[in-house]
Amino acid sequence: NAGVMQNPRHLVRRRGQEARLRCSPMKGHSHVYWYRQLPEEGLKFMVYLQKENIIDESGMPKERFSAEFPKEGPSILRIQQVVRGDSAAYFCASSPQGATNEKLFFGSGTQLSVL
Amino acid sequence: DQQVKQNSPSLSVQEGRISILNCDYTNSMFDYFLWYKKYPAEGPTFLISISSIKDKNEDGRFTVFLNKSAKHLSLHIVPSQPGDSAVYFCAASGSSNTGKLIFGQGTTLQVKP
Repeated sequence: NAGVMQNPRHLVRRRGQEARLRCSPMKGHSHVYWYRQLPEEGLKFMVYLQKENIIDESGMPKERFSAEFPKEGPSILRIQQVVRGDSAAYFCASSPQGATNEKLFFGSGTQLSVL
Repeated sequence: DQQVKQNSPSLSVQEGRISILNCDYTNSMFDYFLWYKKYPAEGPTFLISISSIKDKNEDGRFTVFLNKSAKHLSLHIVPSQPGDSAVYFCAASGSSNTGKLIFGQGTTLQVKP
């Protein structure tokens, strides 16, 4: 199965700890998007990356959040010093060319719970 | 600033009848619109899309209509089936030169047997 793979599916952290969320795009896709879904809300864009480059991070909180997509390996969304308000479902999506008329393929998400 | 809005949080229809889900947008730069379906604990899955140069696109039981002057699109499902029960998200792109999608808040559809 060459779908978008996210892990872990569930992640529990205590306040102040770090959370690392991983995303492997579909085979042949080099464009990765991260979205966050808070309870009872829609999906909010966070960041768009192409291999080794951050293209658009207009949706990323200014502090504690970072993302990378190295030449080798999965894309990582990192949240430092987590707070309860970070509890949400985080979805990764990928596309082959990053074009405006392309659909995005989503992973199953990582549910982050901050205690 | 909610650029894509789905004003109905939920919709309930009888099996076999038509489901109509609505979506409004504010940014006239959007030129590509999509509908995604989402089941609990799963990621969104693509359903159907439409380019701004068209006003209708049909795929089996699913039809999307676009009214550019009203900045409005709708998804018609006919006939509705219980397996269609899910959250439906409207999304748009084109406001930037990337494939970034802007999503609405979602509408929960329940199809009753």
